[in-house]
Amino acid sequence: EVQLVESGGGLVQPGRSLKLSCAASGFTFSDYNMAWVRQAPKKGLEWVATIIYDGSRTYYRDSVKGRFTISRDNAKSTLYLQMDSLRSEDTATYYCATPVSPYWGQGVMVTVSS
Amino acid sequence: DIQMTQSPSSMSVSLGDTVTITCRASQDVGIYVNWFQQKPGKSPRRMIYRATNLADGVPSRFSGSRSGSDYSLTISSLESEDVADYHCLQYDEYPYTFGAGTKLELK
Repeated sequence: EVQLVESGGGLVQPGRSLKLSCAASGFTFSDYNMAWVRQAPKKGLEWVATIIYDGSRTYYRDSVKGRFTISRDNAKSTLYLQMDSLRSEDTATYYCATPVSPYWGQGVMVTVSS
Repeated sequence: DIQMTQSPSSMSVSLGDTVTITCRASQDVGIYVNWFQQKPGKSPRRMIYRATNLADGVPSRFSGSRSGSDYSLTISSLESEDVADYHCLQYDEYPYTFGAGTKLELK
């Protein structure tokens, strides 16, 4: 059974940092490009970042460039998202996903508020 | 960035209806469009991939089509379990972009 399990969310003050993790199982993690997709409360889906299967390249949406870093450890089948300089507009549920393929995590909530 | 203009934003439907949701791409994205279903409090579920292919386990009443830059998701004979939000995604180039979503509600 394929599982993507996110962790690391929570309440954080503006300007602070948070690191999300996503533990994958049930499929060959190292074969897949992986992404983070977020959804603000009552809003649509928004792609955040993608990392190529071997970690060789990363892509970000403009609003998070220079603040967020996506990374992966294929030996541990784990995806990460380091989020720095957080803003209130980053408040959302963050999904670990293979948006091109069918695998999505259950999501983890990140709330940025003072 | 490529814009995916999704319509309608919401739709009042009845069981047994045929429902069509459309996304218009602002530039050519080829076949690289997926459709997702999302129920409240749940993760998105891929329903259609590469514009017209039915994902594993998805009922055959769902179908995807393409006409030029317009991509459509059609649900034939709507069932109660189909009442949900639907999202399109283009993954032809970065940044990937989603449509704004369509909410189906029962009359």
